Amino acid sequence: QLQVQESGPGPVKPSETLSLTCTVSGGSISSNSYYWGWIRQPPGRGLEWIGSIYYSGGAYYNPSLKSRVTISVDTSKNQFSLRLSSVTAADTAVYYCARHDVTNDVFDIWGQGTMVTVSS
Amino acid sequence: QSVLTQPPSVSGAPGQRVTISCIGSSSSIGAGFDVNWYQQPPGTAPKLLIYGNTNRPSGVPDRFSGSKSVTSASLAITGLQAEDEADYYCQSYDSSLSGYVFGTGTKVTV
Repeated sequence: QLQVQESGPGPVKPSETLSLTCTVSGGSISSNSYYWGWIRQPPGRGLEWIGSIYYSGGAYYNPSLKSRVTISVDTSKNQFSLRLSSVTAADTAVYYCARHDVTNDVFDIWGQGTMVTVSS
Repeated sequence: QSVLTQPPSVSGAPGQRVTISCIGSSSSIGAGFDVNWYQQPPGTAPKLLIYGNTNRPSGVPDRFSGSKSVTSASLAITGLQAEDEADYYCQSYDSSLSGYVFGTGTKVTV
């Protein structure tokens, strides 16, 4: 059964770069039918799509975050990663990685999420 | 950035039926993009509940059903149970924003 799991270094200071990795287990990231996405949820608020990437490296991003976001993939490790630069307190959120079924345009498998706090 | 509007909360007694609306626009639901629904119990990650407007993934009880109209969609829960207490989010694509969008979220209280 395919699972995805987020990991990251913890708190981030303002103006620094947030880095997270998602590890895919129980299946291959190199699947024709799926992209792999990042979604975040600020405390007490709703969900926001950050971006999605294909195993070949093609990615597309939320236009509101595009200037600060980079998503990359490492097929040898079955992982994909998120980098968000120049963070502020507004970037404090639970960050989820998910499998993105582009056939149905749905995020069908989610990780448990990791809380990232931006604070000096 | 939510462009899909949901009621903040709905409530019902055990066994009752509740519905949650998701109002979009001509560039999202009205443009023909499908609507998906997610359930998020307190302190947990979202879980896919309905995809492609009306389809249930394996393991989702048939008490949950989805529908879509011109620029809106709805999620219905029949035979409400205590375990259904959660936040519910709709999701679609918006061509004017060039991205995937989620609804504002609805808290269901039993």
